Amino acid sequence: AQSVTQLGSHVSVSEGALVLLRCNYSSSVPPYLFWYVQYPNQGLQLLLKYTTGATLVKGINGFEAEFKKSETSFHLTKPSAHMSDAAEYFCAVSARNEKLTFGTGTRLTIIP
Amino acid sequence: EPEVTQTPSHQVTQMGQEVILRCVPISNHLYFYWYRQILGQKVEFLVSFYNNEISEKSEIFDDQFSVERPDGSNFTLKIRSTKLEDSAMYFCASCAGLAGGAGGELFFGEGSRLTVL
Repeated sequence: AQSVTQLGSHVSVSEGALVLLRCNYSSSVPPYLFWYVQYPNQGLQLLLKYTTGATLVKGINGFEAEFKKSETSFHLTKPSAHMSDAAEYFCAVSARNEKLTFGTGTRLTIIP
Repeated sequence: EPEVTQTPSHQVTQMGQEVILRCVPISNHLYFYWYRQILGQKVEFLVSFYNNEISEKSEIFDDQFSVERPDGSNFTLKIRSTKLEDSAMYFCASCAGLAGGAGGELFFGEGSRLTVL
């Protein structure tokens, strides 16, 4: 079985500052890892995913995440926050060809 | 750009009433899912559907719930007799291939908020 823990239900950063959203996973098999974003009144949109290969994954809107097996982590980062990044972010894990298991989400607020 | 659409966006119902949530997946997708999110909690898997039958369901998806794809385009979630604890945001998703890994990306709708009074 897989599970995800997102540390920090709310994160606030200043515009232009580094964004770091934390995700730790538990999986009995090699995991596939995902970050989804939900903007207000919209559905879930895939930001990026890790399946195999390069552990540093780049996604849309300047976000990236690094798979660290030794730390069972898949933290999401962006070097410089923009006001448009304000949203809810969900980390998710799956085993190959199985359903996604989501974390509880982190609400990102950008301070002007 | 193709998208998953859900109706209604918000439904208020009385406890014990039947509710049907509707979803139109992306047209060439083969795998369909319902997830839900109770306010302040995680997004939870309910059920997956492929080839006109349920392929997997969670323990949440009890006899009160059912899904069907009645006409080849709509994908519906029915809750037969709603309970207070069914109040949540329900997300439909579709996928061209098996979800997870390289099999395919899940595309989510905007959600249907169900409020049970």
